Amino acid sequence: GAGVSQSPRYKVAKRGQDVALRCDPISGHVSLFWYQQALGQGPEFLTYFQNEAQLDKSGLPSDRFFAERPEGSVSTLKIQRTQQEDSAVYLCASSPIKTADTQYFGPGTRLTVL
Amino acid sequence: GDSVTQMEGPVTLSEEACLTINCTYTATGYPSLFWYVQYPGEGLQLLLKATKADDKGSNKGFEATYRKETTSFHLEKGSVQVSDSAVYFCALSRAYTGNQFYFGTGTSLTVIP
Repeated sequence: GAGVSQSPRYKVAKRGQDVALRCDPISGHVSLFWYQQALGQGPEFLTYFQNEAQLDKSGLPSDRFFAERPEGSVSTLKIQRTQQEDSAVYLCASSPIKTADTQYFGPGTRLTVL
Repeated sequence: GDSVTQMEGPVTLSEEACLTINCTYTATGYPSLFWYVQYPGEGLQLLLKATKADDKGSNKGFEATYRKETTSFHLEKGSVQVSDSAVYFCALSRAYTGNQFYFGTGTSLTVIP
């Protein structure tokens, strides 16, 4: 069956460029989460959507990070003016319920900022 | 704030050896606790979970017991297989909100034949 998909799988950006990372959750899942995973670390929470509403964005590291889910399905994480410290794997997860207790992860997008 | 401290790796075991990966947590209230596994080239998958004190989560021969008195959730398996080679992450779901997850740094396990 179709799981969570993310695109692109790999992205190389020059410092200062804007990037957009896409997440296609499992159909019908109400909750969507974004995480940032630095090399050798565990994933760190970035933001959470319930349908189209962004209910928690407390983990976004700066105002250069922006996420949206306008129709309650596909989500985009945008990073403006990328910096080298933004290099990481960005993970998306979706859940059929309103909490994160049952979340399914995508394969991630590996972002490298040169 | 809420956090998870996980045993550092990497861990290398021979097939059929016993496995324990330590995990302790700091949290307000009573969080739910999880173990996730990431096999090479794949995404994170839920391995097991426990939602209240003294609960035992189990799956694929792995077990972990939610110990409130020691704030621990150690992962155990009696006899590991080569196919268990992966990175294991301990995590907690913040109490009351359920929307914020805190992960440990991961423990890499390699099982050799």
